[in-house]
Formats: sequence, C-alpha cells, structure tokens
Amino acid sequence: KNQVEQSPQSLIILEGKNCTLQCNYTVSPFSNLRWYKQDTGRGPVSLTIMTFSENTKSNGRYTATLDADTKQSSLHITASQLSDSASYICVVTVSGGYNKLIFGAGTRLAVHP
Amino acid sequence: GAGVSQTPSNKVTEKGKYVELRCDPISGHTALYWYRQSLGQGPEFLIYFQGTGAADDSGLPNDRFFAVRPEGSVSTLKIQRTERGDSAVYLCASSSGTSTYGYTFGSGTRLTVV
Repeated sequence: KNQVEQSPQSLIILEGKNCTLQCNYTVSPFSNLRWYKQDTGRGPVSLTIMTFSENTKSNGRYTATLDADTKQSSLHITASQLSDSASYICVVTVSGGYNKLIFGAGTRLAVHP
Repeated sequence: GAGVSQTPSNKVTEKGKYVELRCDPISGHTALYWYRQSLGQGPEFLIYFQGTGAADDSGLPNDRFFAVRPEGSVSTLKIQRTERGDSAVYLCASSSGTSTYGYTFGSGTRLTVV
C-alpha cells in the first residue's frame, strides 16, 4: 500500500533555532517528492520538489533531502521565524497514469518567540 | 485567474441537507483534483478530472458524493444527505497535467455539518 509517514507529529521550537522534519514513504512506482507548507486556513503551498536523481534541494531557509534507496526525505529549516509556524506536508507522486499524489499527515510546527 | 479559487470559504449546513462546493482552477489548467482534509490530517484524494471527464473517482467515499466539470474549467463537488462525518476542509487543486509542474491548491472550503 502506498503510504507516506511523517515525524514528529508536532514540534515546538524557539525563534532563530533550526529544525529537521522527517518523511518516510512506501510509494511505488516513485515519480517525485514534494514538501508543502500549509498555513492555518489556507491551501498547501509547494516548497520543494525532488525527482529520483536529486539528493538535495534548497528554497531560501528550507533545504530538503532525498534518499531514494532508503525512501526517506527530510526538510531542514534554518534560523526559524515566527512565520514558519505551519503544517509541513510531505507528498509523493506515483509515477504513471495521472500523477496521483500520496500525502503524509504533516508535521505541525510552532515557532515561539 | 491568478490562483485556484474556492467558494464558499465556509459552509455550515444541517445534517441531511445537500451542498455544492465550487472550484475555479487556474486558467488553462487541464487537470483538476478534489481532496478532503480532516483536522490534523493530510489531504485525502477524492477525484481527478482531466478536461471534462472524471479520470479517477476512486477516492469518493460513497454515492452521496459526486463531482462535475462540464466545460473543463469550473468544477462543483456535490454532497447529498450530508452527515456529521462529512465535516472537513475540501481542497481543490489544478495543474497543467505533468508531474514536473506544481500543483496549485485553493484555500479550501470548510464544511461543517451540524
């Protein structure tokens, strides 16, 4: 069964600190992996997208890694800001057909001053 | 339009009533998706349209749920005889159809069945 699991479920950090969110997946065939940020009451917004051959992708203070062998990804947030408080969702695309998305449950991040 | 627009943003309805949720995708996007997101969970796939046709409706939970996209742009998700368990945020996304392009999500419609 195609699944995406994320950890931790929730996380609280102080402003200015770094953090790393984890994503494990069992999706086959694999097309790509995306990290989305979802603010409360809003739709998800894409942060990064990585294909099978990419190990790392950065977007400002966000850096995503992908290990296709172990089927693991991480999202590292550097120098966190209060505006980083949101849910971060790992999404894997199933290859073939119409690119079906498999969503993780998300990690809820709270950045405190 | 500039983004995916969903209306209404909030809908409160009584158990047993019929509701319609609307999605206006990005102009020119041929692919349109509906997802349902329960509190604290990631979005759950409902249905996918390519053009006017529903290419995959395997995520619709039962026959009370139906969606249309008659002209290949705007889509309407219809829920009959609503139940309290239908309460969730219903998200719509559109894309140009290939995996290398990003999906753009709307802000969702928060449905509350009382």
